Amino acid sequence: GDSVTQMEGPVTLSEEAFLTINCTYTATGYPSLFWYVQYPGEGLQLLLKATKADDKGSNKGFEATYRKETTSFHLEKGSVQVSDSAVYFCALTPDGGTSYGKLTFGQGTILTVHP
Amino acid sequence: DTGVSQDPRHKITKRGQNVTFRCDPISEHNRLYWYRQTLGQGPEFLTYFQNEAQLEKSRLLSDRFSAERPKGSFSTLEIQRTEQGDSAMYLCASSQVTGGYSPLHFGNGTRLTVT
Repeated sequence: GDSVTQMEGPVTLSEEAFLTINCTYTATGYPSLFWYVQYPGEGLQLLLKATKADDKGSNKGFEATYRKETTSFHLEKGSVQVSDSAVYFCALTPDGGTSYGKLTFGQGTILTVHP
Repeated sequence: DTGVSQDPRHKITKRGQNVTFRCDPISEHNRLYWYRQTLGQGPEFLTYFQNEAQLEKSRLLSDRFSAERPKGSFSTLEIQRTEQGDSAMYLCASSQVTGGYSPLHFGNGTRLTVT
């Protein structure tokens, strides 16, 4: 079945450092890929998405590129802020489009940014 | 947009008891999803509804679990004869599917502890 693997955490960075959180997936066909974020005390919210190979999703300074050849969707940000401290989840939904809500999530990566 | 609301926020119950959770989706959303999240893991899909019809159930949803969405509005998730392994965060999400991509909006979850 489909699966998503994220880099082990937690990740601790200083403010303005560069962030990479690795994500690789296993799926048949052409899944859509997502990054969700969960801030302390809040529900999961969509950070960015990419629905086909070579698409780049971006939001709030975060970026991720859908790489089919390496089955990866790594999350990057050039300069993190304390407010980026959260848990980040990589996820996919199967090929087909109509199942966008049936997500397979990675285990999550805790990011802590210090001033 | 008042967001997805879940009730209760926390539930502690003794093994063998029945529990019921409620989810109120965003009012115009036609799809509603239930997920389960255990500590240190990403959410796992349980089931989803299109309006009042339950369209898919995960094999994670044993016979002790039942979900309903009468009249296509709020939904309930009932767990009968709870077991300690049922302890988890139960997440509800909703979306409005109109043809194109529609992101999921998650609630803050109901945390169940079975003692």
